[in-house]
Amino acid sequence: EPEVTQTPSHQVTQMGQEVILRCVPISNHLYFYWYRQILGQKVEFLVSFYNNEISEKSEIFDDQFSVERPDGSNFTLKIRSTKLEDSAMYFCASRISGGQETQYFGPGTRLLVL
Amino acid sequence: GENVEQHPSTLSVQEGDSAVIKCTYSDSASNYFPWYKQELGKGPQLIIDIRSNVGEKKDQRIAVTLNKTAKHFSLHITETQPEDSAVYFCAADTGRRALTFGSGTRLQVQP
Repeated sequence: EPEVTQTPSHQVTQMGQEVILRCVPISNHLYFYWYRQILGQKVEFLVSFYNNEISEKSEIFDDQFSVERPDGSNFTLKIRSTKLEDSAMYFCASRISGGQETQYFGPGTRLLVL
Repeated sequence: GENVEQHPSTLSVQEGDSAVIKCTYSDSASNYFPWYKQELGKGPQLIIDIRSNVGEKKDQRIAVTLNKTAKHFSLHITETQPEDSAVYFCAADTGRRALTFGSGTRLQVQP
């Protein structure tokens, strides 16, 4: 069964450094998402992406964040200058089409900012 | 924006008993309500979902009910098994396709 994959599974970085989290959505899916989950808290929406542009973003997704689909398979989340409070689990999700609501989640990347 | 409340935060049941998890939502425009199961170290896995034009949906031991008037929906797991132990999240989608999640319920099924 096709799955969303994410790399790396764990990332430790120093405050102020840039990180790039990578996702490979399910191959025929057209809509892509990033969510985050701070330890012990809710899963929170960050951004949605369709047709090579951002569809929607939350107030969390400020200028320090950016997303990109650099090729036909990868979908990346970049944090330009990490802060301690960016430490969280980051999930990528994908959805097949406009009429199908189901989002499929990847296993996540645990980011720790020191 | 949408706000989803989920109760209880933890639930312990004996194997074979039923488990019920309840969620309420605030935005009457929400029209899609998925439930996800998250096992330790893994991403959320969809287990069942319901759309606002349906009041109940069942899939084997799992069922979801929706009351649009009261703006609440519930997950029912019957004949619970130890492998049902996980964190369960409800979510709501207003049609913008940005899911708003509840805070999660840690279900422990005691053998």
